Order: sequence, then structure tokens, then C-alpha cells
Amino acid sequence: GAGVSQSPRYKVAKRGQDVALRCDPISGHVSLFWYQQALGQGPEFLTYFQNEAQLDKSGLPSDRFFAERPEGSVSTLKIQRTQQEDSAVYLCASSLLLGGRHNEQFFGPGTRLTVL
Amino acid sequence: GQNIDQPTEMTATEGAIVQINCTYQTSGFNGLFWYQQHAGEAPTFLSYNVLDGLEEKGRFSSFLSRSKGYSYLLLKELQMKDSASYLCAVPPNTDKLIFGTGTRLQVFP
Repeated sequence: GAGVSQSPRYKVAKRGQDVALRCDPISGHVSLFWYQQALGQGPEFLTYFQNEAQLDKSGLPSDRFFAERPEGSVSTLKIQRTQQEDSAVYLCASSLLLGGRHNEQFFGPGTRLTVL
Repeated sequence: GQNIDQPTEMTATEGAIVQINCTYQTSGFNGLFWYQQHAGEAPTFLSYNVLDGLEEKGRFSSFLSRSKGYSYLLLKELQMKDSASYLCAVPPNTDKLIFGTGTRLQVFP
């Protein structure tokens, strides 16, 4: 497809379950970002990759959160032992390059995670 | 720290003009982005400013003053479809975006 895709679009998990969220970036985009967006708030940075290298994971809220991009394309965000406070929309974005106007990030539709 | 402030909510009438302000204090500055986000959808790019001044693109314009740490998004000839959240975002470096909380704009007929 032409844009960033994410799956699943909606995920309901019981507290304590592990979840995996997938992101397919725009083909050829070097950088990939994960953000967490709580209801009524702006997105908050979680982590980002340049190709397969995870260059910044300072936004991951705890060691229960793990992200990978093994072949420099598709990325997975994994949350272990989910808690209710993990309920949010998880947005993935990709950009062609880093810096300036080329830092324009194209966002996917997000995965809405609800933890019961 | 990083801080980006914008009003939480605004209302306007169809056909009118609305200005959404954004002030920022960030550790670095590599331009300022405005994104539009309809409820339940992905943020979509509206504008990018890196130099002071006004950038006009159709009904939307964006202004930047780096010395004041200030930007605004100007929407003219408002339409019902402009009801959305408008996100101001700054990349302190060349990577991640720091977002404000977003301004929810409601346009009434």
C-alpha cells in the first residue's frame, strides 16, 4: 500500500497478557517511530529505528515494552504483562530520512489497545 | 525539559477564520510541524516551518517566530470537515517529534 499500515487496529487484552503490535512502514523509509497517544492527548514518543538499528528507546515507559525491526522494514512493538495504564492508541510513523523537511513523519492509523 | 503549549479546545463558525497558537520551549529546534488529526484517524501533515515568517498553503497558513518560541496555524473559510484536533510538534533534534496536547477545533454551521 501507499501508506503506513498497522495491525491489529483494535486489541483487547486481559491484564497480564502479552500483546504484539505490528507496523508496516512506507517502502523505502529509513526511519520508523512508535508513539503512544492517550485519550485527549498528543502522541508521546516511545522509540525509533534507523533501518534495523534502534537508536533511541528513552520513551519506553518500562522494561515490559520492547520493540524490534530486525530487517529494517516491518516493526513490532511488544508489551508484556499488560497493565490497565497501557491502554492507549499506539501510533507508528515512518520518514524517508532524518532532519529538516525530510523529517516529515507519515503516520499509520494506530492500534487502539484496551486492557481490562 | 520539553514543553509545548496550545489551547485545549476552540470553537468557530463555518466560513470564519480561526488562529490556533502554539508556544514551545525545547532543548533544541529543528523546525515546527502542524498535523491534523480527525477522531480515530492518523495525524496528517499540514505544514512545516523552519524559518521565521508566514507559510501559506491554500486555506491554511502557518507562522513561526523562533525568537519568541511561538507559532500559529491560521485556518480560513472554515468548513465542517475542518473539525479535528490540530497538533503542534517540534523535533528538538533530527529525529523524534515532541507534541503538544493538541487543540480540538469544533466548527459549527
